[in-house]
Amino acid sequence: GAVVSQHPSRVICKSGTSVKIECRSLDFQATTMFWYRQFPKKSLMLMATSNEGSKATYEQGVEKDKFLINHASLTLSTLTVTSAHPEDSSFYICSAPDRSENTIYFGEGSWLTVV
Amino acid sequence: KQEVTQIPAALSVPEGENLVLNCSFTDSAIYNLQWFRQDPGKGLTSLLLIQSSQREQTSGRLNASLDKSSGRSTLYIAASQPGDSATYLCAVAYSGGGADGLTFGKGTHLIIQP
Repeated sequence: GAVVSQHPSRVICKSGTSVKIECRSLDFQATTMFWYRQFPKKSLMLMATSNEGSKATYEQGVEKDKFLINHASLTLSTLTVTSAHPEDSSFYICSAPDRSENTIYFGEGSWLTVV
Repeated sequence: KQEVTQIPAALSVPEGENLVLNCSFTDSAIYNLQWFRQDPGKGLTSLLLIQSSQREQTSGRLNASLDKSSGRSTLYIAASQPGDSATYLCAVAYSGGGADGLTFGKGTHLIIQP
């Protein structure tokens, strides 16, 4: 079964609204989680690194005020897309490394459509 | 900046053929390399993970090789089946446990014709 759960799998929202995506590690604790974005026919790009108990680290070109990341506990990270625009429509996927197994697990991904 | 390139971008072959997908990376100081499968509208499925000290990994009809010094990896699929149709992604980790995230290629879109 899944060891990293991502919710929702699909979401449609109106322009200007905010939408939250959750990423949970089910069987292990993750002090770090990663958020990726994938546009059609493009590679997955790392957006930011979510750190439990501290601020997220954003990759160059990613607006931290638009993509709010909160790592509230050792098993949960959330990505909130604020004031969403149609160009934010994309596939967002999280991952979490299980350091005890030296393995990184991915969530199922979330398809965001902004209309 | 590390770059991961996958060739070809798309491939369509008849069922039963053996095929090779290629992945190259610019910085050879990798920690490990993974091959993933992505089905349309779905998340990622990890297929094979090769540590930097390894040369290949096998799982069923899949075999992945790694030539770290030349910055290349190949994914070999034997006796392809229509169910193998998907996008195959290569991703490189430059630190242990993916501590700095992964760098992905753009993928190879594979279609196996029945």
